Amino acid sequence: RKEVEQDPGPFNVPEGATVAFNCTYSNSASQSFFWYRQDCRKEPKLLMSVYSSGNEDGRFTAQLNRASQYISLLIRDSKLSDSATYLCVVNAANSGYALNFGKGTSLLVTP
Amino acid sequence: DTGVSQDPRHKITKRGQNVTFRCDPISEHNRLYWYRQTLGQGPEFLTYFQNEAQLEKSRLLSDRFSAERPKGSFSTLEIQRTEQGDSAMYLCASSSGWTGEEETQYFGPGTRLLVL
Repeated sequence: RKEVEQDPGPFNVPEGATVAFNCTYSNSASQSFFWYRQDCRKEPKLLMSVYSSGNEDGRFTAQLNRASQYISLLIRDSKLSDSATYLCVVNAANSGYALNFGKGTSLLVTP
Repeated sequence: DTGVSQDPRHKITKRGQNVTFRCDPISEHNRLYWYRQTLGQGPEFLTYFQNEAQLEKSRLLSDRFSAERPKGSFSTLEIQRTEQGDSAMYLCASSSGWTGEEETQYFGPGTRLLVL
């Protein structure tokens, strides 16, 4: 079983829609959680960190449930430019600073 | 541009050849990481350095792979006797490594390797 599991996708949504991505992680000792965004054939870029209390950045809201080992990302009012792959990322608890990435969920926002 | 840079951006080689990739981290970042990403997968951790010390290596890093960061600045990743299964995007990342700073890893554009 992979340490980080994500919705397989792809998600095809119209502009303006709200879309939610889910992710689960297997190691309860993990301490740091992130969502990265990756455009086609580009490097991953940090979208936002995820905190226990939940956090919001504009149209993006991230939630963490430590008890269920579950992370979510909500995108409101989707834009065409949101089309990308969204990677759920958890620090590798048995490692110093390595990151464990999910496979990613592909989002396509259509006009 | 003060981001992470990698060279070359693309490399095509024949099976059995050796290849070397270079990564220049963000200036003054103490930690440097190498990851590998294959099609349809997320990046997978290979190794990381704190300054010039290689502190951790993944079991993915076979004995054909070697990484160095001799002066604690740029790093090289060498693959000897390449195999077709080595074809992937090799990503380098760096983070500040300062106590109290959130350990955000910033990625370079990657080196895309194709082994024929």
